[in-house]
Amino acid sequence: AQKVTQAQTEISVVEKEDVTLDCVYETRDTTYYLFWYKQPPSGELVFLIRRNSFDEQNEISGRYSWNFQKSTSSFNFTITASQVVDSAVYFCALSGGASSGGSYIPTFGRGTSLIVHP
Amino acid sequence: SQTIHQWPATLVQPVGSPLSLECTVEGTSNPNLYWYRQAAGRGLQLLFYSVGIGQISSEVPQNLSASRPQDRQFILSSKKLLLSDSGFYLCAWSVRGDITLGYGYTFGSGTRLTVV
Repeated sequence: AQKVTQAQTEISVVEKEDVTLDCVYETRDTTYYLFWYKQPPSGELVFLIRRNSFDEQNEISGRYSWNFQKSTSSFNFTITASQVVDSAVYFCALSGGASSGGSYIPTFGRGTSLIVHP
Repeated sequence: SQTIHQWPATLVQPVGSPLSLECTVEGTSNPNLYWYRQAAGRGLQLLFYSVGIGQISSEVPQNLSASRPQDRQFILSSKKLLLSDSGFYLCAWSVRGDITLGYGYTFGSGTRLTVV
């Protein structure tokens, strides 16, 4: 069985602060994929990043960066110099082939609500 | 390019009334299709997924059903809505058999259902 834990229910920061959203996962698959999605107040989920289990290289995209560590089963997301527009619910997700019969059904964490104050 | 359409955007329905939410995907063939529900303040719960026409897998037994009458059409239904069916319903698609193609899962804009 797969499991994704986002222990932080809500984070509140002031604009320009750096913030890290934690994601810890559990899976028996050796091949799996990790995702981060952003859900702004409008509701639609916006894809941010996908990482496969064989690529532990950290990634940076503008103010966003992701730290994937298989040793601790974590895939954390950092926003540098946060802005009000970053306010949203952020979901971490995991999908693996073997544990879902090859269907790669994603398992989502419960989400972390980020509030950035001006 | 691929697009996913979901409607209606909002819906207010009385308890006991039927429900039909529709989702269609354009620009791709043979997609995997998913219905998720997000209750207020909660995470995403997978309700149904489909790997082909007429093939529906249910993740959670409940008052809802799903159908896939065409390759790129996915419908979520209920014969009699309950108050607990209120929530935000999201449809999604992915490339069948290989999510390494594209960007994994693409979501529709969602339907906010309020059962009164």
